[in-house]
Amino acid sequence: EVQLVESGGGLVQPGGSLILSCVASGFTVSSNSMSWVRQAPGKGLEWVSGIYSGDTTYYTDSVKGRFTISRDNSKNTLYLQMNSLRTEDTAMYYCARDDRRTYYYSSGTYYHADWGQGTLVTVSS
Amino acid sequence: QSLLTQPPSVSGAPGQRVTISCTGSSSNIGAGFEVHWYQQLPGTAPKVFIYSNTNRPSGVPERFSGSKSGTSASLAITGLQAEDEADYYCQSYDNSLSAYVFGSGTKVTVL
Repeated sequence: EVQLVESGGGLVQPGGSLILSCVASGFTVSSNSMSWVRQAPGKGLEWVSGIYSGDTTYYTDSVKGRFTISRDNSKNTLYLQMNSLRTEDTAMYYCARDDRRTYYYSSGTYYHADWGQGTLVTVSS
Repeated sequence: QSLLTQPPSVSGAPGQRVTISCTGSSSNIGAGFEVHWYQQLPGTAPKVFIYSNTNRPSGVPERFSGSKSGTSASLAITGLQAEDEADYYCQSYDNSLSAYVFGSGTKVTVL
């Protein structure tokens, strides 16, 4: 059974840093594409960052240069290093295992197949 | 502002059919990227309900179906039930942003 458990959230002042962790079980993080998705209080979902084959990483524009996604294969864990935090980064942060259909002529578009329960990050003075 | 537009809310009586639209553009849905749909119950993490435009994961009721045409996609719920009351989000990829994008979300209310 696939399980994802996030931790590391909390209250931090603007300009501060946090590291979020997501421990996976039931599958290998290194063999899967993974994402972080966030949801501000009372708002919709926003994809934040993803890590793909060859450890290629991508970020939404608002976090580029501030956030870093990485994974530790020995611990089967996904991370999100968040620096220079802003009040607008306040949100529930979910990690997700990504998947996509494979066709003989191409690959499909990634979707977030499995989700953790989330960890809350609050940026406030 | 989301690149994928959904109606803020839809409602229907039990047993009725409701549809949720997801309107994009030539840089996302219209570019051929697949559309996926998620259900989010209050206080819980989202769950994928439709993937790759039309496919239901195991465990998702058959009354849920997805379609895609041009720059838009739709999620239909046939035979609405009380437990379907939730927020629903569409998701795709946008090649102008080089990012995955979600719709603005739709709250389904069962009257």
